[in-house]
Amino acid sequence: NAGVTQTPKFQVLKTGQSMTLQCAQDMNHEYMSWYRQDPGMGLRLIHYSVGAGITDQGEVPNGYNVSRSTTEDFPLRLLSAAPSQTSVYFCASSYSPGRSTQYFGPGTRLTVL
Amino acid sequence: RKEVEQDPGPFNVPEGATVAFNCTYSNSASQSFFWYRQDCRKEPKLLMSVYSSGNEDGRFTAQLNRASQYISLLIRDSKLSDSATYLCVVNGGGGSNYKLTFGKGTLLTVNP
Repeated sequence: NAGVTQTPKFQVLKTGQSMTLQCAQDMNHEYMSWYRQDPGMGLRLIHYSVGAGITDQGEVPNGYNVSRSTTEDFPLRLLSAAPSQTSVYFCASSYSPGRSTQYFGPGTRLTVL
Repeated sequence: RKEVEQDPGPFNVPEGATVAFNCTYSNSASQSFFWYRQDCRKEPKLLMSVYSSGNEDGRFTAQLNRASQYISLLIRDSKLSDSATYLCVVNGGGGSNYKLTFGKGTLLTVNP
């Protein structure tokens, strides 16, 4: 049981490049979410999904796309990277977002030059 | 008022000390409350849920005051291993029960 896995662990992009951050969970959780964590800002919700085929925006969705084609996978796409997207990105999953433990992946540290 | 607001810290305490963290939240409709712990450069992990009647887990005690929209975490007999950032988490942010809102965290350093 690997829990929540994220790849890559580190990434450096140039402004304007696109990329996909991968997230997978093997706990059969319906709810998955993406957060970014910046110094002094805490964790902020980017997008979330309550099941396969269903996604919704969080607090800071601009510049990011998500899709949920399977229960296990929830990739986050950066369409055209900007220096303001330099951050640590965490994927999380849970059985029920408001009632149960959120399990976080180890994070992806992204730098946009 | 910010959705979830925590003591800014940092807290520096000696081993064996008792330390308390406070958190306030703005959404009176919130139903679920948690404390998470985050070690340096690691992912957050659930420390404990917070129940209306208050709850205790070993050296950790969590309290909830719905009338004042206030949550607290008490750590007794602090250990070096308690050094971490403590995150207050509340559901119901942005008008949705699916959304969890995190406080900015309070850094605790326990010194020998």
